[in-house]
Amino acid sequence: KAGVTQTPRYLIKTRGQQVTLSCSPISGHRSVSWYQQTPGQGLQFLFEYFSETQRNKGNFPGRFSGRQFSNSRSEMNVSTLELGDSALYLCASSPGQGPTGELFFGEGSRLTVL
Amino acid sequence: GDSVTQMEGPVTLSEEAFLTINCTYTATGYPSLFWYVQYPGEGLQLLLKATKADDKGSNKGFEATYRKETTSFHLEKGSVQVSDSAVYFCALSEGSNYQLIWGAGTKLIIKP
Repeated sequence: KAGVTQTPRYLIKTRGQQVTLSCSPISGHRSVSWYQQTPGQGLQFLFEYFSETQRNKGNFPGRFSGRQFSNSRSEMNVSTLELGDSALYLCASSPGQGPTGELFFGEGSRLTVL
Repeated sequence: GDSVTQMEGPVTLSEEAFLTINCTYTATGYPSLFWYVQYPGEGLQLLLKATKADDKGSNKGFEATYRKETTSFHLEKGSVQVSDSAVYFCALSEGSNYQLIWGAGTKLIIKP
């Protein structure tokens, strides 16, 4: 069974640009979550989607947005990039409808903003 | 709000040593507790979990017991191996938030 796939794995952008990251969950998983990981702030929750609906959103500015498609694949977008957006962005999927906390993570997309 | 506090690392041990990584939490309700592990260059993996007080989670020789009275979920292993070198994260999930609250992570280095 294929795991969670995130693309691209690495990318470099400049301030002011925007970026779109993609996540394909494990087959059959309908919940997708996104987390930002940085050395200073650790792991921080961005948002969670289930069946194309955002169920929860973390404390990030509106420049961070996401969506989920009918096939459960998800994308997140960051507009007007800032240096502080440099991070590892992790996507996780889970099978159930409820908040079990049992997440299956991808390897992440490492974004560098110059 | 809810929070998780882990012991700072790195923790450096020799192979076959006993491991304890401390984790305490603050929560308003009755959270589920988790340990995740992140090996170098990889995403996080669920190591073990406990969903109610006095539950013991175990996997790959690691154990942690959900202690409500001390609000703790310490990770232990009796004999560590070089392959256990990784970053370990304690996390909690409460109610219907659909999110995990994470500790800062503890880097574990095992020397042969």
